[in-house]
Amino acid sequence: EVQLVDSGGGLVQPGGSLRLSCAASGFAFSISWMHWIRQAPGKGLEWVAHINPDGSRRYYVDSIKGRFAVSRDNAKNSLHLEMNSLRADDTAVYYCTGDGGVYWGQGTLVTVSS
Amino acid sequence: DVVLTQSPLSLPVTLGQPASISCRSTQSLVYGDGNTFLSWFQQRPGQSPRRLINKVSNRDSGVPDRFSGSGSGTDFTLKISRVEAEDVGVYYCMQHTHWPHTFGGGTKVEIK
Repeated sequence: EVQLVDSGGGLVQPGGSLRLSCAASGFAFSISWMHWIRQAPGKGLEWVAHINPDGSRRYYVDSIKGRFAVSRDNAKNSLHLEMNSLRADDTAVYYCTGDGGVYWGQGTLVTVSS
Repeated sequence: DVVLTQSPLSLPVTLGQPASISCRSTQSLVYGDGNTFLSWFQQRPGQSPRRLINKVSNRDSGVPDRFSGSGSGTDFTLKISRVEAEDVGVYYCMQHTHWPHTFGGGTKVEIK
């Protein structure tokens, strides 16, 4: 059974940092493109970042460039999103997804507020 | 960035009746290799999204055949042949031909 388990969300003050993680199992993680997608409360979906199978190519939406970094550990079947200089408009549920959106985690809520 | 415009925003449907959602792109979604990377997702209330259709018209595994996708270039459509109660939710189109990948604003399907 395919599983993506998102973790690491929480309440953080503006300017703070968080590290999100995604534990993958049940599919060929090491050869899959992996992605982070977010959804602000009551809003639609936004593609945030993605990383190629060997981690050599990473792409970010403009609003997070220079603040967030996506990484992966294929030996541990894990995906990460390092989030720095967080702003109120980063508040959202963050989903880990794989293979063009075939697989989804349950999401982890990040709330940026003082 | 490519903008995807979905219509309608809200779609009340009678059970057993068909439903149709439009997705229009500001740029052609045909990639250099000839593929068109346009997908459809369903998000039921309180759940993570689920991909229904990839590359315009290919149904993902386990997706009922009442769902179908069509279109080309900049105009795409998701059709539900006979709406069932479990189809309630928000539907999104998404393109991954161009970076950044972008989603449409969503269409809320509800039962009349």
